[in-house]
Amino acid sequence: NAGVTQTPKFQVLKTGQSMTLQCAQDMNHEYMSWYRQDPGMGLRLIHYSVGAGITDQGEVPNGYNVSRSTTEDFPLRLLSAAPSQTSVYFCASSPLVRPYTEAFFGQGTRLTVV
Amino acid sequence: DQQVKQNSPSLSVQEGRISILNCDYTNSMFDYFLWYKKYPAEGPTFLISISSIKDKNEDGRFTVFLNKSAKHLSLHIVPSQPGDSAVYFCAARPPQGATSGSRLTFGEGTQLTVNP
Repeated sequence: NAGVTQTPKFQVLKTGQSMTLQCAQDMNHEYMSWYRQDPGMGLRLIHYSVGAGITDQGEVPNGYNVSRSTTEDFPLRLLSAAPSQTSVYFCASSPLVRPYTEAFFGQGTRLTVV
Repeated sequence: DQQVKQNSPSLSVQEGRISILNCDYTNSMFDYFLWYKKYPAEGPTFLISISSIKDKNEDGRFTVFLNKSAKHLSLHIVPSQPGDSAVYFCAARPPQGATSGSRLTFGEGTQLTVNP
């Protein structure tokens, strides 16, 4: 039972480069989301999706794009990396049909932009 | 506007004693509250939750209390064990919607250290 899988675990980018953080879940959850964790700021929501073909912005969406072509996958794209995007990124999923259910998190991607 | 706040960045307790972690929120629309535990280099893992219709939920050594009038919740760990040393995040969510999904708002986290 894999749950939520994120790749890569670590990444170093140069300023201006682009990359995609992958997230896949095998629990058939409708809801998926991306968070970033920065010291002293908890986890902040970047983008989320309530199902295939439907995405919306969270609290800190600038500089990131998402798409949701399948239920399983929810990639996060950095268009032009900036040092301010150095962070730990977490993907999460949860079912929508059960209202009081926790979100399941991946192991995280530690991104450094130099 | 920080809607969920954990005012204590760190807490240190002795093994066997009670750990009390606190969380305050400002949005009265929140109806579901969760606590997550996070070890270094791992993702957050769900610990315990409470819906707004309850004031207490217990699961083994962990109990969450909700005081809606004060917009305050707390996590009690009794007895505390060294393996409980981790960062604890409080999270809150408004009623789940077809378009809003399960948006969680997190607090800043509290680093709990349980000393042997």
